[in-house]
Amino acid sequence: DAGITQSPRYKITETGRQVTLMCHQTWSHSYMFWYRQDLGHGLRLIYYSAAADITDKGEVPDGYVVSRSKTENFPLTLESATRSQTSVYFCASSGTGGSNQPQHFGDGTRLSIL
Amino acid sequence: LAKTTQPISMDSYEGQEVNITCSHNNIATNDYITWYQQFPSQGPRFIIQGYKTKVTNEVASLFIPADRKSSTLSLPRVSLSDTAVYYCLVGAMDSSYKLIFGSGTRLLVRP
Repeated sequence: DAGITQSPRYKITETGRQVTLMCHQTWSHSYMFWYRQDLGHGLRLIYYSAAADITDKGEVPDGYVVSRSKTENFPLTLESATRSQTSVYFCASSGTGGSNQPQHFGDGTRLSIL
Repeated sequence: LAKTTQPISMDSYEGQEVNITCSHNNIATNDYITWYQQFPSQGPRFIIQGYKTKVTNEVASLFIPADRKSSTLSLPRVSLSDTAVYYCLVGAMDSSYKLIFGSGTRLLVRP
Protein backbone atom coordinates (compact mmCIF):
# COMPACT_ATOMS: atom_id res chain seq x y z
CA ASP A 1 0.00 0.00 0.00
CA ALA A 2 1.11 3.55 -0.69
CA GLY A 3 2.14 5.55 2.31
CA ILE A 4 4.94 6.54 4.60
CA THR A 5 6.44 4.04 7.01
CA GLN A 6 8.90 4.45 9.83
CA SER A 7 11.04 1.82 11.50
CA PRO A 8 11.53 0.80 14.15
CA ARG A 9 8.39 1.90 16.00
CA TYR A 10 10.17 1.62 19.35
CA LYS A 11 13.88 1.71 20.20
CA ILE A 12 15.82 1.67 23.44
CA THR A 13 19.54 2.33 23.40
CA GLU A 14 22.34 3.69 25.54
CA THR A 15 24.15 7.01 25.52
CA GLY A 16 27.03 7.18 23.08
CA ARG A 17 25.58 4.61 20.70
CA GLN A 18 24.78 5.30 17.07
CA VAL A 19 21.13 4.95 16.14
CA THR A 20 19.50 5.15 12.72
CA LEU A 21 15.81 5.73 12.22
CA MET A 22 14.39 4.75 8.87
CA CYS A 23 11.73 6.46 6.79
CA HIS A 24 10.30 5.21 3.53
CA GLN A 25 7.58 6.72 1.33
CA THR A 26 5.94 5.27 -1.74
CA TRP A 27 4.45 8.43 -3.27
CA SER A 28 7.69 9.66 -4.89
CA HIS A 29 7.27 12.91 -2.99
CA SER A 30 10.10 15.38 -3.42
CA TYR A 31 10.10 16.79 0.10
CA MET A 32 10.81 14.79 3.21
CA PHE A 33 11.11 15.95 6.81
CA TRP A 34 12.21 14.77 10.23
CA TYR A 35 10.57 16.17 13.36
CA ARG A 36 10.91 15.42 17.03
CA GLN A 37 8.14 15.74 19.54
CA ASP A 38 8.93 15.88 23.24
CA LEU A 39 6.39 15.13 25.93
CA GLY A 40 4.00 18.02 26.29
CA HIS A 41 5.50 19.97 23.40
CA GLY A 42 4.74 20.53 19.78
CA LEU A 43 6.74 19.35 16.79
CA ARG A 44 10.17 20.74 16.00
CA LEU A 45 11.85 20.36 12.62
CA ILE A 46 15.25 18.63 12.67
CA TYR A 47 16.16 18.35 8.97
CA TYR A 48 14.40 18.40 5.68
CA SER A 49 15.16 17.44 2.10
CA ALA A 50 13.82 19.00 -1.08
CA ALA A 51 15.03 16.17 -3.32
CA ALA A 52 17.54 13.34 -3.47
CA ASP A 53 21.01 14.52 -2.39
CA ILE A 54 19.61 17.86 -1.15
CA THR A 55 19.21 18.35 2.59
CA ASP A 56 19.00 21.35 4.91
CA LYS A 57 18.88 22.07 8.61
CA GLY A 58 15.71 22.76 10.50
CA GLU A 59 15.18 24.25 13.93
CA VAL A 60 17.09 21.67 16.01
CA PRO A 61 19.71 19.90 13.83
CA ASP A 62 22.55 19.51 16.34
CA GLY A 63 23.46 15.88 17.06
CA TYR A 64 21.70 14.51 13.98
CA VAL A 65 22.81 13.49 10.51
CA VAL A 66 20.62 12.79 7.48
CA SER A 67 21.14 11.50 3.97
CA ARG A 68 18.94 11.10 0.94
CA SER A 69 20.54 8.95 -1.73
CA LYS A 70 17.13 7.79 -3.00
CA THR A 71 13.92 9.79 -3.29
CA GLU A 72 11.91 7.31 -1.24
CA ASN A 73 14.25 6.99 1.75
CA PHE A 74 15.32 9.57 4.32
CA PRO A 75 17.21 7.99 7.24
CA LEU A 76 18.01 9.97 10.38
CA THR A 77 21.14 9.07 12.36
CA LEU A 78 22.09 9.98 15.87
CA GLU A 79 25.85 9.50 15.73
CA SER A 80 26.37 9.50 19.49
CA ALA A 81 23.03 9.40 21.28
CA THR A 82 22.42 11.54 24.35
CA ARG A 83 19.60 11.40 26.90
CA SER A 84 18.28 14.74 25.64
CA GLN A 85 17.50 13.02 22.34
CA THR A 86 14.90 10.79 23.99
CA SER A 87 11.78 11.71 22.05
CA VAL A 88 9.20 10.64 19.51
CA TYR A 89 10.47 11.12 15.97
CA PHE A 90 8.15 11.69 13.04
CA CYS A 91 9.00 11.51 9.39
CA ALA A 92 6.84 13.31 6.82
CA SER A 93 6.70 13.86 3.08
CA SER A 94 5.01 16.27 0.72
CA GLY A 95 4.45 16.27 -3.00
CA THR A 96 6.06 18.01 -5.88
CA GLY A 97 4.88 21.36 -7.16
CA GLY A 98 5.76 23.51 -4.21
CA SER A 99 6.47 23.58 -0.53
CA ASN A 100 2.93 24.50 0.45
CA GLN A 101 1.58 21.06 -0.19
CA PRO A 102 0.26 19.20 2.87
CA GLN A 103 2.70 17.00 4.72
CA HIS A 104 1.89 13.34 5.29
CA PHE A 105 3.27 11.89 8.49
CA GLY A 106 4.36 8.44 9.55
CA ASP A 107 3.28 6.87 12.83
CA GLY A 108 6.52 7.80 14.56
CA THR A 109 9.47 6.13 16.30
CA ARG A 110 9.54 6.29 20.08
CA LEU A 111 13.23 6.48 21.05
CA SER A 112 14.48 6.10 24.61
CA ILE A 113 18.12 6.69 25.45
CA LEU A 114 19.31 5.38 28.79
CA LEU B 1 9.66 34.35 10.98
CA ALA B 2 5.90 33.85 11.18
CA LYS B 3 5.47 32.56 14.71
CA THR B 4 1.99 31.34 15.53
CA THR B 5 -0.02 31.75 18.72
CA GLN B 6 -2.96 29.51 19.60
CA PRO B 7 -4.95 28.86 22.78
CA ILE B 8 -3.39 26.07 24.80
CA SER B 9 -6.67 24.25 25.34
CA MET B 10 -10.38 24.39 24.60
CA ASP B 11 -13.39 22.46 25.86
CA SER B 12 -16.57 21.75 23.97
CA TYR B 13 -19.55 19.39 23.90
CA GLU B 14 -20.69 16.97 21.29
CA GLY B 15 -22.72 18.58 18.52
CA GLN B 16 -21.33 22.07 19.03
CA GLU B 17 -19.32 24.12 16.56
CA VAL B 18 -15.74 24.75 17.62
CA ASN B 19 -13.65 27.68 16.41
CA ILE B 20 -9.90 27.72 17.06
CA THR B 21 -8.08 30.94 16.24
CA CYS B 22 -4.41 31.22 15.37
CA SER B 23 -2.48 34.51 15.34
CA HIS B 24 0.40 34.97 12.90
CA ASN B 25 1.22 38.67 12.80
CA ASN B 26 4.41 38.28 10.77
CA ILE B 27 3.01 36.14 7.99
CA ALA B 28 4.89 36.61 4.72
CA THR B 29 3.31 37.27 1.34
CA ASN B 30 3.94 33.75 0.02
CA ASP B 31 2.99 31.90 3.22
CA TYR B 32 0.05 29.51 3.31
CA ILE B 33 -1.83 28.60 6.48
CA THR B 34 -2.23 24.91 7.21
CA TRP B 35 -4.00 23.08 10.04
CA TYR B 36 -3.20 19.61 11.31
CA GLN B 37 -4.87 17.27 13.80
CA GLN B 38 -2.95 14.89 16.04
CA PHE B 39 -4.21 12.01 18.15
CA PRO B 40 -2.04 10.41 20.87
CA SER B 41 0.63 8.05 19.52
CA GLN B 42 -0.04 9.09 15.92
CA GLY B 43 1.52 11.50 13.48
CA PRO B 44 -0.26 14.74 12.60
CA ARG B 45 -2.95 14.54 9.95
CA PHE B 46 -3.63 17.31 7.43
CA ILE B 47 -7.03 18.97 7.87
CA ILE B 48 -7.17 22.06 5.68
CA GLN B 49 -5.01 24.68 4.00
CA GLY B 50 -5.71 28.20 2.72
CA TYR B 51 -4.17 31.45 1.57
CA LYS B 52 -6.97 33.99 1.94
CA THR B 53 -10.74 34.34 2.52
CA LYS B 54 -12.53 31.07 3.18
CA VAL B 55 -11.78 27.44 2.42
CA THR B 56 -14.13 24.56 3.16
CA ASN B 57 -13.78 20.80 2.86
CA GLU B 58 -15.67 17.81 4.17
CA VAL B 59 -14.32 18.12 7.71
CA ALA B 60 -13.66 21.81 8.41
CA SER B 61 -13.68 25.41 7.28
CA LEU B 62 -10.84 27.89 7.42
CA PHE B 63 -11.50 31.62 7.67
CA ILE B 64 -8.72 34.07 6.86
CA PRO B 65 -9.30 37.85 7.12
CA ALA B 66 -7.99 40.26 4.55
CA ASP B 67 -4.88 41.19 6.55
CA ARG B 68 -4.02 37.46 7.01
CA LYS B 69 -2.65 38.12 10.48
CA SER B 70 -4.89 35.45 11.94
CA SER B 71 -6.96 32.47 10.88
CA THR B 72 -9.81 30.48 12.38
CA LEU B 73 -10.36 26.76 12.04
CA SER B 74 -14.04 25.89 12.35
CA LEU B 75 -15.14 22.34 13.16
CA PRO B 76 -18.91 21.89 12.71
CA ARG B 77 -20.81 19.65 15.14
CA VAL B 78 -17.86 18.05 16.88
CA SER B 79 -17.94 14.51 18.23
CA LEU B 80 -15.93 12.73 20.91
CA SER B 81 -13.52 11.52 18.21
CA ASP B 82 -12.52 15.12 17.48
CA THR B 83 -10.70 15.25 20.81
CA ALA B 84 -7.13 15.89 19.69
CA VAL B 85 -4.41 18.51 19.42
CA TYR B 86 -4.79 20.98 16.56
CA TYR B 87 -1.78 22.73 15.07
CA CYS B 88 -1.70 25.89 13.02
CA LEU B 89 1.27 26.03 10.63
CA VAL B 90 2.46 29.00 8.63
CA GLY B 91 5.38 29.10 6.27
CA ALA B 92 7.01 28.10 3.05
CA MET B 93 9.93 25.74 2.52
CA ASP B 94 11.44 27.31 -0.56
CA SER B 95 13.04 30.14 1.36
CA SER B 96 15.44 30.35 4.26
CA TYR B 97 12.46 30.16 6.59
CA LYS B 98 11.94 26.76 8.20
CA LEU B 99 8.53 25.24 8.90
CA ILE B 100 7.87 25.38 12.61
CA PHE B 101 4.99 23.86 14.51
CA GLY B 102 3.69 25.71 17.55
CA SER B 103 2.48 24.04 20.73
CA GLY B 104 -1.00 23.46 19.35
CA THR B 105 -4.47 23.63 20.88
CA ARG B 106 -5.69 20.68 22.91
CA LEU B 107 -9.40 20.25 22.19
CA LEU B 108 -11.48 18.18 24.59
CA VAL B 109 -14.96 17.23 23.45
CA ARG B 110 -17.25 16.13 26.25
CA PRO B 111 -20.41 14.01 25.93
